[in-house]
Amino acid sequence: DQQVKQNSPSLSVQEGRISILNCDYTNSMFDYFLWYKKYPAEGPTFLISISSIKDKNEDGRFTVFLNKSAKHLSLHIVPSQPGDSAVYFCAANLITNAGKSTFGDGTTLTVKP
Amino acid sequence: DTGVSQDPRHKITKRGQNVTFRCDPISEHNRLYWYRQTLGQGPEFLTYFQNEAQLEKSRLLSDRFSAERPKGSFSTLEIQRTEQGDSAMYLCASSRHMDRGNEKLFFGSGTQLSVL
Repeated sequence: DQQVKQNSPSLSVQEGRISILNCDYTNSMFDYFLWYKKYPAEGPTFLISISSIKDKNEDGRFTVFLNKSAKHLSLHIVPSQPGDSAVYFCAANLITNAGKSTFGDGTTLTVKP
Repeated sequence: DTGVSQDPRHKITKRGQNVTFRCDPISEHNRLYWYRQTLGQGPEFLTYFQNEAQLEKSRLLSDRFSAERPKGSFSTLEIQRTEQGDSAMYLCASSRHMDRGNEKLFFGSGTQLSVL
């Protein structure tokens, strides 16, 4: 039973446009949600997070939206840049064991110049 | 501070052999995690330490797997009698424990294991 799902394995956008990556979860007890970015031959790196008590968090070009009633979150990248091309993982944490994250299978984003 | 380092980067072994991986976390981090990632999937939790204590092991971790973190510093992950199904990327991560759920992980580059 996969508790965190990223239903789009890949996404391709034009440079300068908006990229929207989606994530759905099933466990209503998740307390924090995080996005990680992964380049080839490197480990994932933290990008942005959001608490379950908020519905939006912004950091520069990156914004994460959380819809608790729908158990859905999304990552918006505006404007998209070629250097954003990477695999993006959605992850969820329980308050009781914060670092034991449950990850989705990732979405490969390609930003075309 | 060079981040989390893992050694080796790649390991090729024959089925039935034992392998050991090492992870050096960020020095001020008190938690250390091991995850496993196979192609097309996200990282899966294996086990974690707080300082030198191993606090949790996943059901995925069979008795052929053992991890240690002596003195709360570096960690080793050993796989005995490797099987082809063990082929994966083994990721180590460290973190500073947070009281609430906003604990972000700092990952190493991983050890890619291939069992022939």
